[in-house]
Amino acid sequence: GAGVSQSPRYKVAKRGQDVALRCDPISGHVSLFWYQQALGQGPEFLTYFQNEAQLDKSGLPSDRFFAERPEGSVSTLKIQRTQQEDSAVYLCASSLMGRVVDEKLFFGSGTQLSVL
Amino acid sequence: QQPVQSPQAVILREGEDAVINCSSSKALYSVHWYRQKHGEAPVFLMILLKGGEQKGHEKISASFNEKKQQSSLYLTASQLSYSGTYFCGTDPLIQGAQKLVFGQGTRLTINP
Repeated sequence: GAGVSQSPRYKVAKRGQDVALRCDPISGHVSLFWYQQALGQGPEFLTYFQNEAQLDKSGLPSDRFFAERPEGSVSTLKIQRTQQEDSAVYLCASSLMGRVVDEKLFFGSGTQLSVL
Repeated sequence: QQPVQSPQAVILREGEDAVINCSSSKALYSVHWYRQKHGEAPVFLMILLKGGEQKGHEKISASFNEKKQQSSLYLTASQLSYSGTYFCGTDPLIQGAQKLVFGQGTRLTINP
């Protein structure tokens, strides 16, 4: 596709449920990033992939959060046993090579997760 | 580590100018600027690399002073389409780290 696609656009989960958020990056982009954006805040880094390798997961808030990109394209962010504090917009971004210092990120519109 | 943006919010009339500042307590190699409209994806504006260069994008330009660890975004003769939240992103200057750390954002409202 022309841009980064994320689905679902909105997700409502009951506390304790597992959720899976999908990201379809721009074709050919090597690097993929997940960010979490709380209401009124800037995006916070969660994790980074280069192709299928997860090179940095330092931002994942707990072991309930898990991300994968098995074939180096589509990525899934999974949250187990969701808690209310997980409510946020989850943004996915991709870049051509992943040289963050001098390369722009292309963001998706995000998945808004609400945990009740 | 998170850069600090100021002001937090600005309200302008169409045609007025604005300056948004981004300041870091850490040494920086680059500063990135993005704009996000409500409910939409952040959109890239520009990257500034170490060297104090100033870049321009239509009527939006920015400067980067790496000695002061600061960047400023300049919006001149603002248009209604400039409304949105502006984020600066900085790289942590850690070898091998490939992530941007974003500020908390500056909400810009342009009124007719």
